[in-house]
Amino acid sequence: AQSVTQPDIHITVSEGASLELRCNYSYGATPYLFWYVQSPGQGLQLLLKYFSGDTLVQGIKGFEAEFKRSQSSFNLRKPSVHWSDAAEYFCAVGREKLTFGTGTRLTIIP
Amino acid sequence: SQTIHQWPATLVQPVGSPLSLECTVEGTSNPNLYWYRQAAGRGLQLLFYSVGIGQISSEVPQNLSASRPQDRQFILSSKKLLLSDSGFYLCAWSVLGAATTYEQYFGPGTRLTVT
Repeated sequence: AQSVTQPDIHITVSEGASLELRCNYSYGATPYLFWYVQSPGQGLQLLLKYFSGDTLVQGIKGFEAEFKRSQSSFNLRKPSVHWSDAAEYFCAVGREKLTFGTGTRLTIIP
Repeated sequence: SQTIHQWPATLVQPVGSPLSLECTVEGTSNPNLYWYRQAAGRGLQLLFYSVGIGQISSEVPQNLSASRPQDRQFILSSKKLLLSDSGFYLCAWSVLGAATTYEQYFGPGTRLTVT
């Protein structure tokens, strides 16, 4: 069975600081991996995806993620966060059906 | 470009009342359609998915049902709501093909409060 673990429920970062959100997955085959962002009361927006090739993938809003097969991880990073990045972030794995992690809430301190 | 709509945006219903939430997709054909529920402080729970008209797969036994009367229309229903049905309901679509990468695109959601 496929599963996703996001070990950090809540992270607080100062504006301008770097960010890394952790994601570990379990999947029986080559994984398709995704990061989504959700602002309060809104739907989910796709940030980036990985399915093959270069293990460092670039997404929208300056985010990137690195796939590490040996660690079953797909961590999301951003070099310098902006106040507008405050939101909930979800990692997902799967194909026809996606399994989502429980999310990491990101708070930005001015 | 593709667009997904959900309505209503918010809904307050008493326990025991019926429910109908609607989702429509524009700009694509034969999409896979999904209903998710998001409870407060929790991740997304897949409720139903559909690969075509009249084809519904249920992921979680409950008092909810789904229907797909048209290619780009997906409806979530209940005959009698429970308090535990409260949550944020999200509809999503994806298109599978030879070059698919399986990403799903989400609607704006419906906030349901059962009182």
